[in-house]
Amino acid sequence: DSGVTQTPKHLITATGQRVTLRCSPRSGDLSVYWYQQSLDQGLQFLIQYYNGEERAKGNILERFSAQQFPDLHSELNLSSLELGDSALYFCASSAGGGAVGYTFGSGTRLTVV
Amino acid sequence: GNSVTQMEGPVTLSEEAFLTINCTYTATGYPSLFWYVQYPGEGLQLLLKATKADDKGSNKGFEATYRKETTSFHLEKGSVQVSDSAVYFCALSDRQSSGSRLTFGEGTQLTVNP
Repeated sequence: DSGVTQTPKHLITATGQRVTLRCSPRSGDLSVYWYQQSLDQGLQFLIQYYNGEERAKGNILERFSAQQFPDLHSELNLSSLELGDSALYFCASSAGGGAVGYTFGSGTRLTVV
Repeated sequence: GNSVTQMEGPVTLSEEAFLTINCTYTATGYPSLFWYVQYPGEGLQLLLKATKADDKGSNKGFEATYRKETTSFHLEKGSVQVSDSAVYFCALSDRQSSGSRLTFGEGTQLTVNP
């Protein structure tokens, strides 16, 4: 157990739908990061939150949004889903600085049918 | 921008063979460098890291040295085992004040046969 908890582990939904992925960071970590892993794009950074505030944005679509709550858990919302959104979505957390490295959760596998 | 380039896979080796997976990077400043491993059906696990030039990261028999002059961080292991079969990702972290994004390479699939 890495200490980063992601739910659900698997999600199957239809095109056009909306889903919410949840991440609880490791105890004490203030930063949460979301990554998308797909076969054609590899591992892509989506967005980072630090202590409730958005800190960095990567290749995140406008149909996607995220937030970090006061208890530091984070949610990634994916709407108007398309077949191409099928991927593994990972959450990672860190205490802060880049040298510390990350702890990844086990991911949510999203399948859009 | 930052980028990481890994040798193309997949790589197939026999047990006890020597492993090298090449990784080169492009970054401004002095990034931290990482190797992550992903076993089938699992998330990414940190394998080793190096935070400054000439640092050597090591773990579970794997080693990698941060070479600033060649902008490389090649992963090596002297004798691989079947249990090392996984996907290996090289990554770098730029330095921001409140956490840093990781930029990953494409990943290299390693299969070790008995």
